[in-house]
Amino acid sequence: AQSVAQPEDQVNVAEGNPLTVKCTYSVSGNPYLFWYVQYPNRGLQFLLKYITGDNLVKGSYGFEAEFNKSQTSFHLKKPSALVSDSALYFCAVRDINYGQNFVFGPGTRLSVLP
Amino acid sequence: KAGVTQTPRYLIKTRGQQVTLSCSPISGHRSVSWYQQTPGQGLQFLFEYFSETQRNKGNFPGRFSGRQFSNSRSEMNVSTLELGDSALYLCASSLAAGTDTQYFGPGTRLTVL
Repeated sequence: AQSVAQPEDQVNVAEGNPLTVKCTYSVSGNPYLFWYVQYPNRGLQFLLKYITGDNLVKGSYGFEAEFNKSQTSFHLKKPSALVSDSALYFCAVRDINYGQNFVFGPGTRLSVLP
Repeated sequence: KAGVTQTPRYLIKTRGQQVTLSCSPISGHRSVSWYQQTPGQGLQFLFEYFSETQRNKGNFPGRFSGRQFSNSRSEMNVSTLELGDSALYLCASSLAAGTDTQYFGPGTRLTVL
């Protein structure tokens, strides 16, 4: 079975400071990992994904994430937070063995304070 | 290229009724997945279709069903609505089933009274 944990319900950070949103996963095979962001009354927007290769993945809006196989983590980071980054962030995993559906974490609400 | 579209955007129904939601994927995408989003349960997978075939199904009762047409458009149906079916229903499309990135529509907000 596959699962995703986002240990923080809420992350607060001051504008201009670096931000980290944490994600850990569990799969039986090799993972495909994704980050999505959701703004109020909107669907999810794709930020970035890890399939294979370089452990540091760069995505949209200045976000990046680092895949750490030994710690089974895929934390989302941004060097300098903007107030407009305030939203709900979801980590998702899909086992590399096709046939498994996407599993989403519970979400982390990011608030960037001016 | 137009994104994923879902209709209607908002829907109010009463218990016992049935409802059909529609999803048009991004042009060229052949895989469509459906999710239910609620504050308590988060995002839960309903089903995935590829080339008119259901490839995966989540852990939902048989009242929830779906289908995909030859033009990749998809519908999901919920029969005998319950209060707990109130949720945001999200549709996502991807080029193919498997590991391709899923792109989400804005969702249909269903309220069951």
